[in-house]
Amino acid sequence: EADIYQTPRYLVIGTGKKITLECSQTMGHDKMYWYQQDPGMELHLIHYSYGVNSTEKGDLSSESTVSRIRTEHFPLTLESARPSHTSQYLCASSEFLDNYGYTFGSGTRLTVV
Amino acid sequence: AQSVAQPEDQVNVAEGNPLTVKCTYSVSGNPYLFWYVQYPNRGLQFLLKYITGDNLVKGSYGFEAEFNKSQTSFHLKKPSALVSDSALYFCAVRAPGQNFVFGPGTRLSVLP
Repeated sequence: EADIYQTPRYLVIGTGKKITLECSQTMGHDKMYWYQQDPGMELHLIHYSYGVNSTEKGDLSSESTVSRIRTEHFPLTLESARPSHTSQYLCASSEFLDNYGYTFGSGTRLTVV
Repeated sequence: AQSVAQPEDQVNVAEGNPLTVKCTYSVSGNPYLFWYVQYPNRGLQFLLKYITGDNLVKGSYGFEAEFNKSQTSFHLKKPSALVSDSALYFCAVRAPGQNFVFGPGTRLSVLP
């Protein structure tokens, strides 16, 4: 399937813990994205990057942070997890040209208890 | 500003019948229009796209979509639905130089 990998697939963690969700792609894509997906389906862009050392916040305010030190790697970190962070997190990447679509990872389903 | 509407949260169709999942959009300039499908516990998978040219585009798994500029619509269609088509479907629009905007999704249920 897609050459973009997210780990872990499922994570249950206690309140207050620091977590990092991993996302890596092997396609050499410049652009990478993190989406938060509600239980009711809708996707919300929380972070994106257009290249190394470039990160921007998305449309939905998030307490998470991201980094882009290498082209292929775009991890998302929550310093102190809360139950409100319980959601599915989807990572995606794309070519620089606009007429290409996104390639999505399989997602990380996070539950904070 | 870009926006995408999928007016139906849920579409139910009997196996073998034609299906339509509706999408309308608002964007400045010429849009790039995409459909994605999401199966349970998976990421989104690309189905088809319209960039330019023929208004009728064909994609994976027998799906097609028609770009209608005057109605600003990009409805997804399939002549004969399969139970395995049951999934979430997302319409997405992208203006040149912008990130994608995704619709809220439509849950398709194909009944045997």
